[in-house]
Amino acid sequence: EAGVTQSPTHLIKTRGQQATLRCSPISGHTSVYWYQQALGLGLQFLLWYDEGEERNRGNFPPRFSGRQFPNYSSELNVNALELEDSALYLCASSPQDLNEKLFFGSGTQLSVL
Amino acid sequence: GENVEQHPSTLSVQEGDSAVIKCTYSDSASNYFPWYKQELGKRPQLIIDIRSNVGEKKDQRIAVTLNKTAKHFSLHITETQPEDSAVYFCAASWLTGGGNKLTFGTGTQLKVEL
Repeated sequence: EAGVTQSPTHLIKTRGQQATLRCSPISGHTSVYWYQQALGLGLQFLLWYDEGEERNRGNFPPRFSGRQFPNYSSELNVNALELEDSALYLCASSPQDLNEKLFFGSGTQLSVL
Repeated sequence: GENVEQHPSTLSVQEGDSAVIKCTYSDSASNYFPWYKQELGKRPQLIIDIRSNVGEKKDQRIAVTLNKTAKHFSLHITETQPEDSAVYFCAASWLTGGGNKLTFGTGTQLKVEL
């Protein structure tokens, strides 16, 4: 069974640009979560999507947004990039019937120069 | 909101010794407590989890204990091996009918020395 896949693996942008990160959940999983892992910090909850809807968001500014597509894949968009947005962005998915089990992807390393 | 504190930030043990990592949480409504292991450059992987209606859970060399009254939970690794070296994260959440928004600790770098 294929795991959660994320693309790209690495992304380099400059301040003020926009970044788009993509996530494909495990087949059959309907929920997608996004987390930010900055250096030296734990994982910070960003967004949760389920059945195409945004269900919850963490304490991040509105320039962090995303969407979930009918096939349950998801995009995370970060507008007006700032230096402190540099981090590893992790996507996780969970099945509807075992919603406590989160399975993570390998992440996208975003560097803002 | 929930706040999870994790200690120690680094832990070094000799191969074969036991390792203990401790976490405290603030929200008494939290009812799910997973532990994730993240090796360098790899994805976090769920290694064990516990619900609030259980005080202890064991899976081979790893175990988790939960004290709801004190709002703390711990990860115990026995007979440590070099491959146990990684960053370990605890987390807490209040499982609702729909989702699982985890609040993570800041991680413990475990090093198992030969």
